[in-house]
Amino acid sequence: DIQLTQSPSFLPASVGDRITITCRASQDISSYLAWYQQRPGKVPKLLIYGASILQSGVPSRFSGNRFGTEFTLTISSLQPEDFATYSCQQLNSYPFTFGGGTKVEIK
Amino acid sequence: QVQLVQSGAEVKKPGASVKVSCKVSGHKIIDLSMHWVRQAPGKGLEWMGGFDPEDGETIYAQKFQGRVTMTEDTSTDTAYMELNSLTSEDTAVYYCAALRGFSYGYFDYWGQGPLVTVSS
Repeated sequence: DIQLTQSPSFLPASVGDRITITCRASQDISSYLAWYQQRPGKVPKLLIYGASILQSGVPSRFSGNRFGTEFTLTISSLQPEDFATYSCQQLNSYPFTFGGGTKVEIK
Repeated sequence: QVQLVQSGAEVKKPGASVKVSCKVSGHKIIDLSMHWVRQAPGKGLEWMGGFDPEDGETIYAQKFQGRVTMTEDTSTDTAYMELNSLTSEDTAVYYCAALRGFSYGYFDYWGQGPLVTVSS
């Protein structure tokens, strides 16, 4: 199975900060990676797919990149509604594994 | 607009089974690839299995092999996930999600996720 290692697990930040979350795959998954945002008690929301394609309706302050088997999710200027947990998922091969999640907290 | 509406919360005893439903509206289920993801309290997302449109078969995570069955009723556009031999480790929110995407897959439609509690 492909393992996804997300870092950091917790990220204290302030409104207006630029933050980056990393997701490292245990083997090549091409660009078959998606990012999700999940607020407490809510359903996961798709932000990015294909490593860097912004889902329709998602603000442009979110961006994704791929560097080999390392993927990043960047929020250019953190807004109050962005304090949530972010998870990556690989869809290159079954099982479709998820990363452990990164909780973005108010500093 | 695709909507996935799931059945309600359940409380089960250890050793019992649970069957969660996921009603699709706004689309025919036969044109979707339905998957199931669970999330234990305070933990991350865990993919359980789903329909592989390329092979036309349902793929299960090895962890759940032999204990889970995912089915669909195309006459009612409803997907089902049945999990047997429940233990407290199965206490979680169980989501159905639609796998979509032409070039790159993604889950953009999710059910609301009922909580299944396993407790004696």
